[in-house]
This record gives sequence, structure tokens and C-alpha cells, in this order.
Amino acid sequence: DIQMTQSPPSLSASVGDRVTITCRASQTVSTYLNWYQQKPGKAPKLMINAASSLQSGVPSRFSGSGSGTDFTLTISSLQPEDFATYYCLQTSSTPYTFGQGTNLEIK
Amino acid sequence: QVQLHESGPGLVQSSGTLSLTCSVSGDSINNSHWWTWVRQSPGKGLEWIGEISHSGSIVYNPPLRGRVAISLDKSKNQIFLNLKSVTAADTALYYCARIINGWSGLDYWGQGILVTVSS
Repeated sequence: DIQMTQSPPSLSASVGDRVTITCRASQTVSTYLNWYQQKPGKAPKLMINAASSLQSGVPSRFSGSGSGTDFTLTISSLQPEDFATYYCLQTSSTPYTFGQGTNLEIK
Repeated sequence: QVQLHESGPGLVQSSGTLSLTCSVSGDSINNSHWWTWVRQSPGKGLEWIGEISHSGSIVYNPPLRGRVAISLDKSKNQIFLNLKSVTAADTALYYCARIINGWSGLDYWGQGILVTVSS
């Protein structure tokens, strides 16, 4: 199985901050890497697929980069609605595997 | 708009079988997609359970193989999950989701259903 290591596990930031979350795969996943946002009581929401492709309707302050084993999710200027938990997911090979999540909290 | 909706018992007896249904609207499960099940528990985070294609090809997560079965009914546009011999460790929020291919990610999800295994 491909292990996904996500960091940091939690992050405190303020509105307007630029934040970066990283995800490292235990072996190459090419660009079969997806980022999700999850708010309490809701299903995960796909934000970015194929490492850097922004889903329709997702604000442009979100961006993704990377290939192979190292990936980043960047939020350029945090807005109040961005405080949530973020997960990466590799869909390069089954079993698909998720990172452990990053809980983005308001400072 | 594609919508997925999970349904089934919220409480299952230990050693029993968990049976869930995912009803799809806005898309046909006969299209060239895969349909997956994912669960989320506080102890194990998000865990991919398995997936089934429109043609009936199935892949399971190895730790669950032997206990899990995924199937579909094209006439009802539904996907099913059965997990037998459940224990407290199977208590989780269960989601169904669509995946078109590896590039697309799991793009549409149901709202999830909480299943508690009771002793």
C-alpha cells in the first residue's frame, strides 16, 4: 500500500495568512493526488484533483502543486470559510489511501 | 447535478452484517465510472473500502477482503455495501462516492451515514 504522510497535523492561522499543507507519498503517485476539504458534519469536498487542477467553483486562492512523491496545497489568503480539515488522497493505485488530515484552526 | 445518498440501518449488532445502499441520481451507474465506498472513524481516519465498475469489476481493500462485498443494481441505479462479522472497530461514518478515473479523484460524495456496532 502507498502510505500518505500529511503535515502538519494541525495548523493555527489568521484570516489573510498564506498557509501550506504538505503530503508525501511512500512511493510515486505521479500526479494522481487529490485534496479535500471537510467541515464538521459534512462529507469531504474535492478541491483539487490531478495534483493541481482546481475544481469548478473552488476559489483561486487554493492551489496545488507537486508530482511523484511530494505535494503541497496552498491557500494564498485565508478566509473565514477556509477553516476546516484538509486531506490528501492518492488514486494512483488501489487501495487508495488518504493522509491523516490537517486541522486548520483560527488563531 | 450528481447526487449520492446512503441509506441503511444506523445500528448493527456485533458479529452481524452491515448492509448499506447508495442511491445515485443525476448520473447512470451504467456510465464508465467506478463507485466507491469510504468510511471514516475517529481512530482510523478516512479508509477506502473498495470500488465497483459499471461492468461489475470489483476491487477491495485487502484488510477487509473476505468480509466485504460490493454490488450494484443498474435497474435501480444503486450500489450496495455488505460487511459481515462486524465489530466495534467497524463503527464509522460510511460514504459512497464516484470516481471517473485516477485523475478525477472521488468527485461526488454522499452525505454519509453513521453506523454504530453495538455489543
